[in-house]
Amino acid sequence: KNEVEQSPQNLTAQEGEFITINCSYSVGISALHWLQQHPGGGIVSLFMLSSGKKKHGRLIATINIQEKHSSLHITASHPRDSAVYICAAGSNYKLTFGKGTLLTVNP
Amino acid sequence: EAGVVQSPRYKIIEKKQPVAFWCNPISGHNTLYWYRQNLGQGPELLIRYENEEAVDDSQLPKDRFSAERLKGVDSTLKIQPAELGDSAVYLCASCGSSWLGNTEAFFGQGTRLTVV
Repeated sequence: KNEVEQSPQNLTAQEGEFITINCSYSVGISALHWLQQHPGGGIVSLFMLSSGKKKHGRLIATINIQEKHSSLHITASHPRDSAVYICAAGSNYKLTFGKGTLLTVNP
Repeated sequence: EAGVVQSPRYKIIEKKQPVAFWCNPISGHNTLYWYRQNLGQGPELLIRYENEEAVDDSQLPKDRFSAERLKGVDSTLKIQPAELGDSAVYLCASCGSSWLGNTEAFFGQGTRLTVV
């Protein structure tokens, strides 16, 4: 079993829909990271959180430390949100990555 | 300020040939990471540097992979000889603290290696 599990693996949505990507982890963490990777591109950090909730524009990230679970929400999704979203557990000087969720938002 | 810069962006080589990737981290970042990302997978750590010292190279296949970070700034990752299974995206990341877990990491665009 991977230390960081994401679901779903693939997600297709229509423009305007509310998106939720889930992440469960089995390791102790200092922080949980949400990252975005566009095809052929590098990785961009979206959020880093160790408790509660963070919001940036249409993106919201939440974490439940007791349940070792985090979610990334996208409100009013747009085709430009199409990318791979990766959750990573930060601990012991390194990041342990999930496999990513491929999000496709159709116009 | 420029972010983490990697080159080349793409590289196609024949198996058994050598290849090298270069990374210039963000100025002042003393921690540098090399990751390998296979298709459909998350990145996996190859090596971590604190300044010029490789403090975690336990996942680096040392029979064919080598890395260096002279002067604690730029870093080079080399594969010699390359195998078909080495086809992947090689990502470099840097951060300003050795405690990556709770600080933001900055990633380069990656080098997509194809071994034919």
